[in-house]
Amino acid sequence: ETGVTQSPTHLIKTRGQQVTLRCSSQSGHNTVSWYQQALGQGPQFIFQYYREEENGRGNFPPRFSGLQFPNYSSELNVNALELDDSALYLCASSFRGGTYEQYFGPGTRLTVT
Amino acid sequence: GDSVTQMEGPVTLSEEAFLTINCTYTATGYPSLFWYVQYPGEGLQLLLKATKADDKGSNKGFEATYRKETTSFHLEKGSVQVSDSAVYFCALKQAAGNKLTFGGGTRVLVKP
Repeated sequence: ETGVTQSPTHLIKTRGQQVTLRCSSQSGHNTVSWYQQALGQGPQFIFQYYREEENGRGNFPPRFSGLQFPNYSSELNVNALELDDSALYLCASSFRGGTYEQYFGPGTRLTVT
Repeated sequence: GDSVTQMEGPVTLSEEAFLTINCTYTATGYPSLFWYVQYPGEGLQLLLKATKADDKGSNKGFEATYRKETTSFHLEKGSVQVSDSAVYFCALKQAAGNKLTFGGGTRVLVKP
């Protein structure tokens, strides 16, 4: 069974740029959630995707957007990067209809300079 | 809204000591409760969970009991090892919801 994978591992961007982060779900999972974890803090929910549609969103501005593909993989896009966007971005997959446990990937460390 | 509060770290212990990390929550209804662990440079791993009041979750020597009356889910381990050094996160999820709400995390350092 393949776990959740994320790419890239690390990324450095300049303020104002755009970034795309990628996530592959664990085999058999149909739901993907994205979280932002600032240094020294707990993860904060950004949004969730199910059946290729956004299925819930946290307190993040519209410049944070996402996609889910037919194979359940997902992308997180962030436009107009700000310094405060520097964080570890975590993807979690789960199976809607089951126990709904979320399994996390290793994360992408984004640094905005 | 829902919230989770954890004791602040770091918690520094000697090997074979007893570990307790306090976690309390504020939420309506009967959420499921979780403990996740994050080792250095890695993502989150589910450590244990409880889905209803008085349930006890356990895994790898760690235990936590869902206490509805005190809205708590404290994590305990009787004898820690150096390999238990990590950041521990308490979290909750509403039955009808789709997100995990996390506490701020507690860093644990176990010294030989």
